[in-house]
Amino acid sequence: ETGVTQSPTHLIKTRGQQVTLRCSSQSGHNTVSWYQQALGQGPQFIFQYYREEENGRGNFPPRFSGLQFPNYSSELNVNALELDDSALYLCASSTPGALGDTQYFGPGTRLTVL
Amino acid sequence: RKEVEQDPGPFNVPEGATVAFNCTYSNSASQSFFWYRQDCRKEPKLLMSVYSSGNEDGRFTAQLNRASQYISLLIRDSKLSDSATYLCVVINAGNNRKLIWGLGTSLAVNP
Repeated sequence: ETGVTQSPTHLIKTRGQQVTLRCSSQSGHNTVSWYQQALGQGPQFIFQYYREEENGRGNFPPRFSGLQFPNYSSELNVNALELDDSALYLCASSTPGALGDTQYFGPGTRLTVL
Repeated sequence: RKEVEQDPGPFNVPEGATVAFNCTYSNSASQSFFWYRQDCRKEPKLLMSVYSSGNEDGRFTAQLNRASQYISLLIRDSKLSDSATYLCVVINAGNNRKLIWGLGTSLAVNP
């Protein structure tokens, strides 16, 4: 196990609703990255938080927002849900290193938007 | 052209076979390379990093070819438990160190 936890494991919402997903990083890791993985696709980078600040963002609209807390846990918020937001949402924790980050993933939250 | 490209497969091989996957990347300034393994409906797990000199971990060998901009993964003596999707990951210098993922190559090892 990686020590990264996510909640909830599954979630069903309807279009237009808002959702908050949570991630607890591995002990000692100060960086959390969030990914969206649609069925049959590779993970798509949403954004990364480093020491409570956003540290890079992928091609996702502003209705995808996040937070990182002093204990380095993180939240992903999605407003005005759309059907295409149905996916597995993964968070990964890491500590920046000279050779690039080794990221440790949580089990994911599977979101279904009806 | 996608930044990271993989043959999606599926690769169907018998137990004991040797199988190789390639992954090409478009940015010559790419800095770090990894192979992740993802089982069905599970999260990706790091399989191995890929170093310029190549590296081996048991039945798995990873190679990097900077001139041709590809990385490879070789699995020898395939086991049923190797059945999974193998994802190639690249980190570009100065790109906030975010990971750029391929779509994955699906492997099915058959008895």
